[in-house]
Amino acid sequence: QKEVEQDPGPLSVPEGAIVSLNCTYSNSAFQYFMWYRQYSRKGPELLMYTYSSGNKEDGRFTAQVDKSSKYISLFIRDSQPSDSATYLCAVVVGGGTSYGKLTFGQGTILTVHP
Amino acid sequence: KAGVTQTPRYLIKTRGQQVTLSCSPISGHRSVSWYQQTPGQGLQFLFEYFSETQRNKGNFPGRFSGRQFSNSRSEMNVSTLELGDSALYLCASSLGASGGITDTQYFGPGTRLTVL
Repeated sequence: QKEVEQDPGPLSVPEGAIVSLNCTYSNSAFQYFMWYRQYSRKGPELLMYTYSSGNKEDGRFTAQVDKSSKYISLFIRDSQPSDSATYLCAVVVGGGTSYGKLTFGQGTILTVHP
Repeated sequence: KAGVTQTPRYLIKTRGQQVTLSCSPISGHRSVSWYQQTPGQGLQFLFEYFSETQRNKGNFPGRFSGRQFSNSRSEMNVSTLELGDSALYLCASSLGASGGITDTQYFGPGTRLTVL
């Protein structure tokens, strides 16, 4: 079983839709949670980063973490064709043992069509 | 500020050969992490270097090795290439000051390695 599970999709939505992307993780030692976006032929770029359970909002993006159920989500409001990309969740164990190591989900391929 | 650069962008090798990939981090960043990305396994952590020392490594065979130079540039080497090594190899740099926990990792565009 992978440490982080993410439905690879693909997910296709019309422009303007609300998109929900989700990951589950198995190790309660994970304390930091991130969402990356990866366009074709590019490296991943950080979208959102959160530490605690709850919601964090940044423009059209909202990251949600529920540590009790080990569930993380990313919501995209008013989705745009430019949001079409692969979205990757990533988690980090706290403490000094996790130098430079992000553990990623499989990634969800999202297409927003006009 | 220039981003993370990786060279070469594309590489074709045959089984049994070895390959060296290069990564130049963002100026001022001292930590470099390497990842392998494949359709089947996704992004997997290879190792991390900080100030020329390997601080962390993932679960990859010893054929995968790396090093970091005093200017923070890093190289990754894969010896005795296998077909399954075909992948996108990504490096990411960060300040590295807090052990990479809260440092944002900035990724390069990757090197696409094809093993025939």
